[in-house]
This record gives sequence, C-alpha cells and structure tokens, in this order.
Amino acid sequence: QSALTQPPSASGSPGQSVTISCTGTSSDVGDYDYVSWYQQHPGKAPKLMIYEVSKRPSGVPDRFSGSKSGNTASLTVSGLQAEDEADYYCSSYAGINNYVFGTGTKVTVL
Amino acid sequence: QVQLVQSGAEVKKPGASVKVSCKASGYTFTSYTIHWVRQAPGQRLEWMGWINAGNGNTKYSRKFQGRVTITRDTSASTAYMELSSLRSEDTAVYFCARQVLAGTPGDYWGQGTLVTVSS
Repeated sequence: QSALTQPPSASGSPGQSVTISCTGTSSDVGDYDYVSWYQQHPGKAPKLMIYEVSKRPSGVPDRFSGSKSGNTASLTVSGLQAEDEADYYCSSYAGINNYVFGTGTKVTVL
Repeated sequence: QVQLVQSGAEVKKPGASVKVSCKASGYTFTSYTIHWVRQAPGQRLEWMGWINAGNGNTKYSRKFQGRVTITRDTSASTAYMELSSLRSEDTAVYFCARQVLAGTPGDYWGQGTLVTVSS
C-alpha cells in the first residue's frame, strides 16, 4: 500500500487560510468516505482533527474543515493561529481492514 | 479520563525482538480496537496493524506481515506489539491508538515508545 501524497509544506499568515491536499487512489481515498486528518506537534502524539472526510471530533475548532473530491481529500485551516503550526497527516481506510497514511505536510504560520 | 500509557524506551541489537505494551484505562478495554503506528525519525506515520481488544482478531500491514505480532491481555487492559528480526530501519517511535470512530486508525493515542536498533 503506497502512502497518500501530500505537499511537503504549506504556509500562511495569522488570520489567513491554508489548504492541504491528500491524493490517493480509487482503492483508498476515492473508494471510501473514511479520510481522517491528524495534527502533530514536535515530539507529541498525533491528534485527530477530522474524521469521515469532514466531521470534527468534540473540542476541535470549527476553523478546521475537510472535504473530498474523487481521489483527493483536503484539509482547510481558516483563521490561522500560531498554535496551528504543526505537521498534518491524512489517512484513509484502504479496504480489507487496512489503513494508509499520507506523506505529511508541515504547516508554518508566518 | 481515557489514558493509553506505553512502556518505556528500548534499545535493541539487530536481529533481536522488541515487545511494546500499551495499558488502557478510563474506558472498557474490550469495547474497542487498538491500532499500532510507527514513525521513524523525521519521517511520516506508518500504519502497522490492529487488534480487536474484545475478540482478539488482528490485521497486519503487508509490510510487517510475518514480523509483527499484536496481542492483548484483557485482564490487564493491555495491548502489546512485538516486532521481530529488528534492523536499523526499525528505529522509530511506536504509538498505540484506540479506535472508537469508524474509519480512523485511532482517535486517541498513547505517548509513544522510542525503539532504537543499534549494534
């Protein structure tokens, strides 16, 4: 199972929006509405930010939103704040009880 | 509150095996699946497999099939991940994560365990 493809980096100024893409195949992202997004600060465990493409777990700010079109999912962070600076990983269910993660994107708040 | 507490850092020689534990508390252990995910230094997250803590069923990533074994001890509310035939490329932080929400490889994560493979 190959990793999902994400851009290595993305950036924006405070208050702006940034969108991260996550491209898979018709066997994972394109076939299931089970795309999740994780935020990871240095030296910390990942934190779930989005599940089932666009749902937010309790406690996650509504500045975080997700969507999907075909084989590509996206995470948008609106109203960027300093604490949003982190690595972000997408993941997708890939069938037969398998999962796959993305290559990761480092978001920098300028 | 939910807690997943993992065992401490390990240093192993190439060819050896390592067994990492993940003790759960704050919820009914047998009600949910536990995933294992690793992250080599500076690298991406990599899914390894899961165990249904209730019935013990497992699923492993093809990459680790034959080298990884995930088990659980329901009396101790603890899941284990054992990786054998270690090589330097297995140096990584290993995370356990509880899955409650459908389609996620974990919605609540342990703190991670650093495994270093070095001669």
